[in-house]
Amino acid sequence: AQSVTQPDIHITVSEGASLELRCNYSYGATPYLFWYVQSPGQGLQLLLKYFSGDTLVQGIKGFEAEFKRSQSSFNLRKPSVHWSDAAEYFCAVGAIELKTSYDKVIFGPGTSLSVIP
Amino acid sequence: DGGITQSPKYLFRKEGQNVTLSCEQNLNHDAMYWYRQDPGQGLRLIYYSQIVNDFQKGDIAEGYSVSREKKESFPLTVTSAQKNPTAFYLCATGTRDQETQYFGPGTRLLVL
Repeated sequence: AQSVTQPDIHITVSEGASLELRCNYSYGATPYLFWYVQSPGQGLQLLLKYFSGDTLVQGIKGFEAEFKRSQSSFNLRKPSVHWSDAAEYFCAVGAIELKTSYDKVIFGPGTSLSVIP
Repeated sequence: DGGITQSPKYLFRKEGQNVTLSCEQNLNHDAMYWYRQDPGQGLRLIYYSQIVNDFQKGDIAEGYSVSREKKESFPLTVTSAQKNPTAFYLCATGTRDQETQYFGPGTRLLVL
């Protein structure tokens, strides 16, 4: 069964500093991988996704993520954080083989990001 | 304007009462999902539907019910059997070929 871990419950960074949010997954085959962001009291917004191909994925708002099969990781990065990036970030993994039935997406517990001015 | 709407934004439930959360979409997506979010936890799947007139239980379906009579609508009823309903409820839609889910703004349910 799929599972997702986000080792950091909460991270604080200074504005302008670089950011890396960690995500590790467990799944036997190549999964679909996603990063979502959630502002307080809001729904989730898709930042980026990996299905296949280039392992470095570019997303919205200046974010990127790298799929590393050998480490079962899909870490999210941003070179320079803005105060508006403060939010909750969720990594998610989906199955790839079950094309004729439901492809379940499992969400990690989330990492809360605070940004110091 | 394409998107997913959830109403109401806040909902209060009394003891023993059933309440229904609305989710409407005009994205023409086949699949729709309901998730529950509790503080400090990820999203947990309640119910999902891949096609009209069909739906399946997710991981925490007890105390909840759904219907899918129209492609655009997937209402969730929180029944009196759900003993701990206070949470943030998120509706999502998706296209099967892209496997990406898109989320509505959520409904916060509180118990009086």
